[in-house]
Amino acid sequence: GAVVSQHPSRVICKSGTSVKIECRSLDFQATTMFWYRQFPKQSLMLMATSNEGSKATYEQGVEKDKFLINHASLTLSTLTVTSAHPEDSSFYICSASTSGGSYEQYFGPGTRLTVT
Amino acid sequence: RKEVEQDPGPFNVPEGATVAFNCTYSNSASQSFFWYRQDCRKEPKLLMSVYSSGNEDGRFTAQLNRASQYISLLIRDSKLSDSATYLCVVRPAGDYKLSFGAGTTVTVRA
Repeated sequence: GAVVSQHPSRVICKSGTSVKIECRSLDFQATTMFWYRQFPKQSLMLMATSNEGSKATYEQGVEKDKFLINHASLTLSTLTVTSAHPEDSSFYICSASTSGGSYEQYFGPGTRLTVT
Repeated sequence: RKEVEQDPGPFNVPEGATVAFNCTYSNSASQSFFWYRQDCRKEPKLLMSVYSSGNEDGRFTAQLNRASQYISLLIRDSKLSDSATYLCVVRPAGDYKLSFGAGTTVTVRA
């Protein structure tokens, strides 16, 4: 149980275009989803936290107009990188939590974004 | 100062050896502690939680020192499959947010 999927696993796009990444909880309802970014040899950095049906909470320094997050259902959250630039190239990982106070996060397999 | 700091390594050890490394955390309100394993270009996977009294899971032993705010991981009888980056992760009480270290890379050679 507690499987999280991400799609696509890898994407290459041109500078200036937008890219949408999907995160799905396959066998549980995720009341909270998290989006992380990881640059090479660095730690995972939390970008934003989203709860189903409400606006995402962004971490300091993360542009909410550039990284659009939609958590429209209990099993799906999307991250759209708008007007992508080469410096947005990174490994984007989502995770999902259920309610109930256990606070455990289940991680998706990640999406490697390369902006050319 | 980073919330979680780790020696990046790499620790290169022969099969069968014991390897140990620490991480330090800055937030004294941290309540939960974990070691995750991350393979190259993959998502992190929970290796083990770290309890106040220390705990073992097979060949892996984790220790927590709250007074000095550090956590350790020891791997006994290293296997080639233990080669990975080990992430130290902490979480404050009553909060979902996880703070990750940058990881310690371990390479086990035949």
